[in-house]
Amino acid sequence: GQNIDQPTEMTATEGAIVQINCTYQTSGFNGLFWYQQHAGEAPTFLSYNVLDGLEEKGRFSSFLSRSKGYSYLLLKELQMKDSASYLCAVTEHTGRRALTFGSGTRLQVQP
Amino acid sequence: DAMVIQNPRYQVTQFGKPVTLSCSQTLNHNVMYWYQQKSSQAPKLLFHYYDKDFNNEADTPDNFQSRRPNTSFCFLDIRSPGLGDAAMYLCATSGRGESTEAFFGQGTRLTVV
Repeated sequence: GQNIDQPTEMTATEGAIVQINCTYQTSGFNGLFWYQQHAGEAPTFLSYNVLDGLEEKGRFSSFLSRSKGYSYLLLKELQMKDSASYLCAVTEHTGRRALTFGSGTRLQVQP
Repeated sequence: DAMVIQNPRYQVTQFGKPVTLSCSQTLNHNVMYWYQQKSSQAPKLLFHYYDKDFNNEADTPDNFQSRRPNTSFCFLDIRSPGLGDAAMYLCATSGRGESTEAFFGQGTRLTVV
C-alpha cells in the first residue's frame, strides 16, 4: 500500500517563495507527480520526478529524495492565481499504473 | 482544444436512480481512469483500463461499474446512487510510458437528491 502526507493548508504572501512538502511510503516507487487544482476544476500537471534532485520549470521547481521518501514543490514569485490545492501523487512498479494522490495542500496567497 | 471531455459538467440524479457519466478523449491514450473526489479530499481511484484490460480497485463498491467500448470513450455507471456518492468524478488518460502524466477532464459534479 501507499501512504502520502502533505500539510493541509499553507498561507503565503504575493511575491514570496513557498515550499510545499510531501512524504510518502510506498513499495516499488516509480515516480512522483505534482498537480495543481483550482477549486471546482480538474487537476493540471506541474512536474514529474523519478530520480533524486531538482527539476525546475519556470517559477515552479520540484525536488525528490528517494532514500528519504520526500519531495517538495517550490513556488517562486507567488501570484494571486497560485491560490489552489497542490496534490502530490506517486506511482509504483507493481504494474498498477494509476496515480495515488495525497490529500493535497491548500495554498492561500495573500496580497 | 479540450483533450479529455466529460459530460455533463453537472449531473443531478435521484436516490437509487441509475446514472451514467461519460468521458471521451482525443489523445489516443491507452489508459483511462475514473477517480472520485469528495470535498477537500484526495482523488480516489475507482478503476482504470489499460487498453481493454479492466482493473478494479479492491475497495470500489459494486455499485460502480465501467465500460470502455473503444479507445476514445469510457463510461461510469452508478447503479443505485446513494447520498454518499455525491462527489466530483474525474476522468483521466495517460499514454504507454510509465512516466507520462495523466491528463484530466473537467470533471462531472454529481448531486444525489
